[in-house]
Amino acid sequence: SAVISQKPSRDICQRGTSLTIQCQVDSQVTMMFWYRQQPGQSLTLIATANQGSEATYESGFVIDKFPISRPNLTFSTLTVSNMSPEDSSIYLCSVEDRVQGATNYGYTFGSGTRLTVV
Amino acid sequence: RKEVEQDPGPFNVPEGATVAFNCTYSNSASQSFFWYRQDCRKEPKLLMSVYSSGNEDGRFTAQLNRASQYISLLIRDSKLSDSATYLCVVRGLDMRFGAGTRLTVKP
Repeated sequence: SAVISQKPSRDICQRGTSLTIQCQVDSQVTMMFWYRQQPGQSLTLIATANQGSEATYESGFVIDKFPISRPNLTFSTLTVSNMSPEDSSIYLCSVEDRVQGATNYGYTFGSGTRLTVV
Repeated sequence: RKEVEQDPGPFNVPEGATVAFNCTYSNSASQSFFWYRQDCRKEPKLLMSVYSSGNEDGRFTAQLNRASQYISLLIRDSKLSDSATYLCVVRGLDMRFGAGTRLTVKP
C-alpha cells in the first residue's frame, strides 16, 4: 500500500498566523484528500486535491481559508490561514489505495498534523 | 441524520470477551464498506473491507446487510491490543466516516 509522509506532526501556532502542512506519497496518485478530525469527532473532508486543476472544496470550507497546492502526482500542501482557536484539530491527508487481496479501494492516511492555535 | 452512524460506546470489556459493533448508513447507493481502526493520537488504518457475503479475518468478522443498510464488526477473544476506536466507513462518490466506537479491553 501507499506510504505517506506528512509533516509537521504537530504545531502550536499563534492566532492570525498560517500553517502549511505537507504530504508526500511514495507513488503517483490522481487525487489526494485532506481531512480534519476534531476531538471525539469523525473525519470531515475539507477538499480533494487534483493535479493540474483547482482543488474541490466541501461545503463549509473555502479556498481563502484552506488553500491547497498540488504541483505533481506525489505531493500536496494544505495551508490553514489566519488561524483561530477553532482551527485546533488534527489534519490528515489521504490517498485512494487498493485494499490488499481485494478489488476495492480504501484510503491510506498520513500520520496527521495535530494543530493547536493559541 | 448523519450519513454514517455508529454505536457511540465506549465499550469496556475483559480480555477474552466477544464484542460487536454496529453501524448504519443512509446512502443506499454506497458501494464499498470498511472498518478502520484508529489508535489514540494516530491516523486511521484499514482493518478490513466488508462484503455482502460476510468476511472473516482471524478473530474479526464483518457483515453487511444492504437491505437494512447495516454493517457490523464482531471481535472474538478480545486482546488488550484491540483497544482502539473503530470507524465504520462507507464509500459512495466519496468516503464517509462514522464518529467511531471506542473499545477498551481490560485485563
